[in-house]
Amino acid sequence: SSELTQDPAVSVALGQTVRITCQGDSLRSYYASWYQQKPGQAPVLVIYGKNNRPSGIPDRFSGSSSGNTASLTITGAQAEDEADYYCNSRDSSGNHLGVFGGGTKVTVL
Amino acid sequence: EVQLVESGGGLVKPGGSLRLSCAASGFTFSSYSMNWVRQAPGKGLEWVSSISSSSSYIHYADSVKGRFTISRDNAKNSLYLQMNSLRAEDTAVYYCARESTSPYDILTGSYYYYMDVWGKGTTVTVSS
Repeated sequence: SSELTQDPAVSVALGQTVRITCQGDSLRSYYASWYQQKPGQAPVLVIYGKNNRPSGIPDRFSGSSSGNTASLTITGAQAEDEADYYCNSRDSSGNHLGVFGGGTKVTVL
Repeated sequence: EVQLVESGGGLVKPGGSLRLSCAASGFTFSSYSMNWVRQAPGKGLEWVSSISSSSSYIHYADSVKGRFTISRDNAKNSLYLQMNSLRAEDTAVYYCARESTSPYDILTGSYYYYMDVWGKGTTVTVSS
């Protein structure tokens, strides 16, 4: 199987920019997807592929990738962006989406 | 409206069994691979199992292999997870999630894979 590594927590001042990273060997072959999860709620897809946002996701969310690292950037963080964020990709065999990062808690100060 | 609704969770003793269901609506269920993802209390997301649109390809996490069985009934727009030999560490919220694949991106030379629709989850508690 594969592993994805995320920093456990980051903080950002209201209106500032924060970048969350995700590292893993599978990211050399597959793009990551990113999920936002607020307490007591199901995860919500915020970014997939090179830098694609589903309908309804604000354009302050963006994604990038280089080598074995994927990044999620929130430009102009809002109070409602405080949440846990998870990266996900296919495993190295390419058979399934079975790899999640451990999650990053984003606190908006 | 595209929707997934899980059911079947509850309290079960160690060693017991439970069958989870996920009812899909608002999209052509038979065209999508589906996944089960769980989240233990206070922990992160853990992928459990996936099944392709026609049930031809099935995969499990090592933590549940041999104990859990994923299945689907496309005629009923439903996904299932049969959980046997349950353990305390299986206690979690279980989500079903639709898996989508993007069109081929000629700029990156890649397809993109992601879980774009999630249910609200059903809670499984394994305790004596």
